[in-house]
Amino acid sequence: KQEVTQIPAALSVPEGENLVLNCSFTDSAIYNLQWFRQDPGKGLTSLLLIQSSQREQTSGRLNASLDKSSGRSTLYIAASQPGDSATYLCAPGTDKLIFGTGTRLQVFP
Amino acid sequence: GAVVSQHPSWVICKSGTSVKIECRSLDFQATTMFWYRQFPKQSLMLMATSNEGSKATYEQGVEKDKFLINHASLTLSTLTVTSAHPEDSSFYICSAQRTGRDTGELFFGEGSRLTVL
Repeated sequence: KQEVTQIPAALSVPEGENLVLNCSFTDSAIYNLQWFRQDPGKGLTSLLLIQSSQREQTSGRLNASLDKSSGRSTLYIAASQPGDSATYLCAPGTDKLIFGTGTRLQVFP
Repeated sequence: GAVVSQHPSWVICKSGTSVKIECRSLDFQATTMFWYRQFPKQSLMLMATSNEGSKATYEQGVEKDKFLINHASLTLSTLTVTSAHPEDSSFYICSAQRTGRDTGELFFGEGSRLTVL
């Protein structure tokens, strides 16, 4: 059974900082891995999708890496902004997505 | 991007009634849809996998007679919470996987908040 852990559970930083969010998973037999953000009381917005054959994906200030063999993925957020405040979820995918515990990020002005 | 719509976005009902939540993929076909449940300040818990034209596959611990799932077309899946009770109050989110695409990317609805009085 896939188990997903995200560290840190919560993060509060001043704007402008570069951030690192970590995700680890126990079953490395995955097709892909997705990172999402969730705003309070809302659904999920897909940020990045990394296929199992890829090492990383970039979108704007976001960069996600994947080390499938060690069961790890990292989301880098460059030059953080208050609008980045949300919960970030990683989800390694097999025939279904199992979600991590999430990292609650607060970026203050 | 692909759009998934959920309706209603929130619903309040009396204990003992049934509530239906719809999940629609607006601009793509989805052979597979997933239903999740989320309690406050917790992550998403997969309830079931909904496959078009066949019975849903439920996760361990999820009562299939309590949470009825129907995936009648390639763009619509419904979740019916039968004889709802206060402990069923939660945030329900669906996701859809685009048919024919091998990337496996999932797109999520905005969620439906159910409050049972």
